[in-house]
Amino acid sequence: AQSVTQLGSHVSVSEGALVLLRCNYSSSVPPYLFWYVQYPNQGLQLLLKYTSAATLVKGINGFEAEFKKSETSFHLTKPSAHMSDAAEYFCAVREGNTPLVFGKGTRLSVIA
Amino acid sequence: KAGVTQTPRYLIKTRGQQVTLSCSPISGHRSVSWYQQTPGQGLQFLFEYFSETQRNKGNFPGRFSGRQFSNSRSEMNVSTLELGDSALYLCASSFLGDNSYEQYFGPGTRLTVT
Repeated sequence: AQSVTQLGSHVSVSEGALVLLRCNYSSSVPPYLFWYVQYPNQGLQLLLKYTSAATLVKGINGFEAEFKKSETSFHLTKPSAHMSDAAEYFCAVREGNTPLVFGKGTRLSVIA
Repeated sequence: KAGVTQTPRYLIKTRGQQVTLSCSPISGHRSVSWYQQTPGQGLQFLFEYFSETQRNKGNFPGRFSGRQFSNSRSEMNVSTLELGDSALYLCASSFLGDNSYEQYFGPGTRLTVT
């Protein structure tokens, strides 16, 4: 069964600094991988997805992620953090039509 | 296009009662999934409906049930509420016709059981 591990339940960065949120997955078949963001009292918004096309995936709000099969990783990055990036971020994996499996989430704080 | 809508947004119930939550998917989306989000367990899959049929089911007791109507709207029901059922319940819809497997989430229903 597929699973997701997000390293670090809380990450704090300074405004303008690099954002790096880590995600490792386990899957028996080529997976579909997703990053979602959740702002307080809201649902989840899709940031980006990997569906076996390009390994470097660009998403909304300047975020991108790189699929590395050898490392079973799908880390999320953004070159320069903005205050509005403060939120909870979830990595998720899906095999075909099976349900999404989410990581525990990483709360990102951005310090002025 | 309008997004996924969920009603009500907030709900307070007493232990032992039952509750029904509603979800209207994006127009044209025929798959609806439900998730429970709690601080301790994170996001857990409840069930998925496609064309009025339950296609996948998570590991939840039988007190949790759902259904989907011919217009793709979905409801979930929780009977005999327990304190541990307090959570944010999220609904997500998918098109399922383009292999993207993207799910679009609604704002959720915050259920508090007292």
